[in-house]
Amino acid sequence: QQQVKQSPQSLIVQKGGISIINCAYENTAFDYFPWYQQFPGKGPALLIAIRPDVSEKKEGRFTISFNKSAKQFSLHIMDSQPGDSATYFCAARRDAGNMLTFGGGTRLMVKP
Amino acid sequence: DVKVTQSSRYLVKRTGEKVFLECVQDMDHENMFWYRQDPGLGLRLIYFSYDVKMKEKGDIPEGYSVSREKKERFSLILESASTNQTSMYLCASSYLTGGNQPQHFGDGTRLSIL
Repeated sequence: QQQVKQSPQSLIVQKGGISIINCAYENTAFDYFPWYQQFPGKGPALLIAIRPDVSEKKEGRFTISFNKSAKQFSLHIMDSQPGDSATYFCAARRDAGNMLTFGGGTRLMVKP
Repeated sequence: DVKVTQSSRYLVKRTGEKVFLECVQDMDHENMFWYRQDPGLGLRLIYFSYDVKMKEKGDIPEGYSVSREKKERFSLILESASTNQTSMYLCASSYLTGGNQPQHFGDGTRLSIL
């Protein structure tokens, strides 16, 4: 049973466009929500993260929007570039032991 | 830079074999994790360890065991490999405390069980 649901599974965006990936969670005890980026042949790497007491966090072209009441959060990639083509995972931290529950992943392709 | 090294990138084994996947980290992290990655299912936690000789079951521990004899090394063991354990296996490590510590991942071992 997945406690973090991610959509869409795949996404194709034109260069310069906005990529949007959505996640929803069930467990209100989650206290930290990171996004990981994975390139082919590599392990995931932390991209950006947010705490539930903040509604938005921006780092360069990447923004997380967080809606605590709806138990949803999303990643927006502005001015998407071909180099952003990767698989993106949302995650939620379960407890102070730093255990993460991951979403199913979104494969993003940015066309030149 | 944190480095998490998995001993094999690709591994092919036969049904019933005992399989060992090794992971080493160089950052003195307390936490170490083993995940399997399958399309559409994301990363699912198999086992984790927060200290030497300590281990906790994750979400899908059946058919697996782990060993942590040294702080830097965490091994995943498939006691009797089966075809449904064909997957990408990822190891990760992190600090236990000190705020929102990211998990650092190795590049994975793609395991095929024939």
